[in-house]
Amino acid sequence: KNQVEQSPQSLIILEGKNCTLQCNYTVSPFSNLRWYKQDTGRGPVSLTIMTFSENTKSNGRYTATLDADTKQSSLHITASQLSDSASYICVGAPPGGSYIPTFGRGTSLIVHP
Amino acid sequence: DGGITQSPKYLFRKEGQNVTLSCEQNLNHDAMYWYRQDPGQGLRLIYYSQIVNDFQKGDIAEGYSVSREKKESFPLTVTSAQKNPTAFYLCASTSRGGTRGVNEQFFGPGTRLTVL
Repeated sequence: KNQVEQSPQSLIILEGKNCTLQCNYTVSPFSNLRWYKQDTGRGPVSLTIMTFSENTKSNGRYTATLDADTKQSSLHITASQLSDSASYICVGAPPGGSYIPTFGRGTSLIVHP
Repeated sequence: DGGITQSPKYLFRKEGQNVTLSCEQNLNHDAMYWYRQDPGQGLRLIYYSQIVNDFQKGDIAEGYSVSREKKESFPLTVTSAQKNPTAFYLCASTSRGGTRGVNEQFFGPGTRLTVL
């Protein structure tokens, strides 16, 4: 059964600090890994998408890494801002055709002033 | 929210009533999905549709029904048979191919359903 595990479940940091969120996945066949940001009460918004051949992808202060050998990914947030407070969801996706991704439970990040 | 609209934003239902959640997309995507989100859990797939007039059950389809009469629309009905319907419901659509041949999935803003 495909699975995506995220850690930590929740995280509290001070504004301006960096943090790293972790994701381990067991998705087969595997095509790509995504990170989404979900604000409370809203739909998820894509941050990064990495195929199995890509090691890193940046989107502003967000940098995702992927190790397809160990099936691990991380999302690093630099110089956190209050607006970064949200849930971050890791998603493992299969190749094209019938697209049925596997979602992690998310990491809830709170940034305090 | 990527050209996907959901309505209403909040919905209250009495026990025993059926309710229908609307999802419309103007992205010209073939595939559409309904997910349920509960606190502390990942998104769970209810139904998905790859093409008009065709849809498949997801992991938790019991107590739900859908239709796909138009490419742009994929309404979800929560029936009285759904024993615990209070949740946040997300509609999504997916492009084919896209950048680097990767399907890209976009989400609507969600509908919060509460059973009174």
